[in-house]
Parts: sequence; C-alpha cells; structure tokens
Amino acid sequence: KQEVTQIPAALSVPEGENLVLNCSFTDSAIYNLQWFRQDPGKGLTSLLLIQSSQREQTSGRLNASLDKSSGRSTLYIAASQPGDSATYLCAVSRGEETSGSRLTFGEGTQLTVNP
Amino acid sequence: DGGITQSPKYLFRKEGQNVTLSCEQNLNHDAMYWYRQDPGQGLRLIYYSQIVNDFQKGDIAEGYSVSREKKESFPLTVTSAQKNPTAFYLCASSIIWMNTEAFFGQGTRLTVV
Repeated sequence: KQEVTQIPAALSVPEGENLVLNCSFTDSAIYNLQWFRQDPGKGLTSLLLIQSSQREQTSGRLNASLDKSSGRSTLYIAASQPGDSATYLCAVSRGEETSGSRLTFGEGTQLTVNP
Repeated sequence: DGGITQSPKYLFRKEGQNVTLSCEQNLNHDAMYWYRQDPGQGLRLIYYSQIVNDFQKGDIAEGYSVSREKKESFPLTVTSAQKNPTAFYLCASSIIWMNTEAFFGQGTRLTVV
C-alpha cells in the first residue's frame, strides 16, 4: 500500500526566506506527483504536476523536483511572502490493474510566513 | 468560468438522516473523485468514477453511495450507516484516469448535530 509522508508537519519562517518542503512515498511505481496548496476551510489548488518521466517542474517562485527511484520530492519556494502561508500537500498517482488510477495524499506541511 | 462546483458549502445532518452532497464540473473531465479530509489524517478516497455509469470504491466507501448518470455530475450520499460523518468533503476531477492533473472543488463541510 502506498504511503506518503511530508516533513516537516509545520514550518514558520520570516518573509523573504527560501524554503524547502519534503515529500516521500513508499512505492516508486507512480504515474505522477502533484503539489497542492490549501488555504483554511478551502479546497485544493494545484501548484505543480510532475510526470514520472520528469525530474522537475517550475512555476514562478516554485520549483518541484522528483526522484522516483528514491521515492522523494521537494517543493522549493523562493523569496517567501506572507501570502504563501497555507498548507501544502503532495499526492502521488498510481495505476490500479482493474480500476484506474488514484491519488494518495500526504498529511501536509502547514507553512506560516511572518512579515 | 470552468471549474468544479460543490454545494452546499456547509451542511448539517441529524442522526439517522441521509444527506447528498453535490459536485458538478464543466471541464469536460471523464474522471471524478470524492475525498474526505479529517484533521491529522490527510485526504482519503471515498469513491471514484472513470466514466459515466461506472464507479469504484475507494479506501473508505462504507456508509457512502454515489451515482454517475451524467459526465458533469457525481453526487455523494452520506447514509445513516456512516458512523462518523463529520468531516470536510472534497470533490475532484481529471481529464482521464492517469498522467493528468487533478482539480478540486471548494469543499463541503458536513456536521452532525
């Protein structure tokens, strides 16, 4: 059974700092890995999708890397801002023989960026 | 605007009642999903559907039921058999069932009163 772990569970940093969020998964047979952002009481917003054949993806100040063989991904946030404060979730997609694919989520990292 | 619409935003259920959560998408996606989110447990998959008129149980399907009569709609019914229904429910969709990005609605918070 796929298990996804995110470290740290919570992180508080001063504005302007560069930071790294970590995600690890136990089964390397994945189709893709996706990073999401969730604000309190809201749904999930997709940030980056990395296919299993890719090593990284970038969007603005965000960069996500994937090392499928070691079961790890990192989300790098450059020059953090108070508006980046949210919970960040990673999820891996894998196939099922008879019933299609599914996403398995980590528990998230709660990020606070202090002005 | 294209997206996923969940309604209602807040829902209160009395003991023994069935309630239905709505999920509609206008993204022309084939696959739709229902997740439950509890504090400290992340998101868990309840049901998913890869195509109209077909759906599969996820990891925690007991006490829930779904239907997929239209491509755009994937309602979730929380039955009285679900012993601990208080949670945040999230609906998602994707173009096809693999290698594609998943998009989420804004969620429905269900509370048992």
